[in-house]
Amino acid sequence: LAKTTQPISMDSYEGQEVNITCSHNNIATNDYITWYQQFPSQGPRFIIQGYKTKVTNEVASLFIPADRKSSTLSLPRVSLSDTAVYYCLVGPYSGAGSYQLTFGKGTKLSVIP
Amino acid sequence: EAGVVQSPRYKIIEKKQPVAFWCNPISGHNTLYWYLQNLGQGPELLIRYENEEAVDDSQLPKDRFSAERLKGVDSTLKIQPAELGDSAVYLCASSVWANVLTFGAGSRLTVL
Repeated sequence: LAKTTQPISMDSYEGQEVNITCSHNNIATNDYITWYQQFPSQGPRFIIQGYKTKVTNEVASLFIPADRKSSTLSLPRVSLSDTAVYYCLVGPYSGAGSYQLTFGKGTKLSVIP
Repeated sequence: EAGVVQSPRYKIIEKKQPVAFWCNPISGHNTLYWYLQNLGQGPELLIRYENEEAVDDSQLPKDRFSAERLKGVDSTLKIQPAELGDSAVYLCASSVWANVLTFGAGSRLTVL
């Protein structure tokens, strides 16, 4: 399974756009990129998933360049409630390997008033 | 739709005592997971069930940990006896698609 690298922590002021980049140089052809968000005292929550180019939902956007060796989670106009840990996971969408996704330490985002 | 329900939310026990955690997954989710999360770390998989069958328990410390999933729905994770190093949050999750898990709020265990 592809190893991922993301910053340990990031700070941002309210109202700013936040971009969290995840490196996954060894991503395989059938791997998808999935991001989870975890608030204190809660379990992680799925926020977005993509394979290539750009994916957008009501929570975030995910940008994936053509070589797919990295991906960027974009949070528009963050608020204090976006303070959380964000995890980047890479793995196949189906098959046995899809169940072996590994959560790293994630990126701790702190939003400052 | 009700989420994944876990109980208890908090448990404090003395070392060598037994403890059990219960999980009720989302209806229709055949895959159930138990994760362990230490402070400042990401969740680590302990065991995965497909219906009532444990299909991946390679990371479960079988000398003191056990799990069961009765009738392919609810699941229980047990530790006996608990050690100081078992203090952590125990997360249950369920899924239909492998990459999209729904987690419960977790059970925080403190072993004194």
